[in-house]
Amino acid sequence: SQQGEEDPQALSIQEGENATMNCSYKTSINNLQWYRQNSGRGLVHLILIRSNEREKHSGRLRVTLDTSKKSSSLLITASRAADTASYFCATDARDDKIIFGKGTRLHILP
Amino acid sequence: GAGVSQSPRYKVAKRGQDVALRCDPISGHVSLFWYQQALGQGPEFLTYFQNEAQLDKSGLPSDRFFAERPEGSVSTLKIQRTQQEDSAVYLCASSGGSGASTDTQYFGPGTRLTVL
Repeated sequence: SQQGEEDPQALSIQEGENATMNCSYKTSINNLQWYRQNSGRGLVHLILIRSNEREKHSGRLRVTLDTSKKSSSLLITASRAADTASYFCATDARDDKIIFGKGTRLHILP
Repeated sequence: GAGVSQSPRYKVAKRGQDVALRCDPISGHVSLFWYQQALGQGPEFLTYFQNEAQLDKSGLPSDRFFAERPEGSVSTLKIQRTQQEDSAVYLCASSGGSGASTDTQYFGPGTRLTVL
């Protein structure tokens, strides 16, 4: 079962542009995480935002969380070729497991 | 230091064969997780260990799937009588915490299993 759903499923942008991905979820959460997966480095944790936080930054990443709309967004600014990857949101389940969405495939064009 | 390692990286099995997938977590990490990732999907939880204790195996899809971590470090995921629907990437992750959802999980490269 998957709680989070990323949108869009796939995104292609020019290098240097900003990329925005969205995640919607169904039930209340304590925290939400974003992960990146590419063939080179596997699945890597990017950032965690707690339910009482609205925005969080890490380098070129900006994550927002709107618990009233049950949605989160991940913004990558000044995209680079190395940002080409699949991005997953993951929410905590009632039993403290994390549940991943299906992911957004991001392709940075040179 | 070394990250999470998994072996083999690729495994091809004939339907009905048994397979064993190995995970070496980061040294000292208490918690270990197994996930199954089908093509085009996100990882799905299979099972969780805290040291040698298997605290949650609710995600194992059938009794053909079995996982162990006898000494609280290396873990093995065994699949008996493999079926074509078992074809997927099997990911292992470890964390230094007690398994809470807020603990950062460090993932291995995965084992891609193909059942013919």
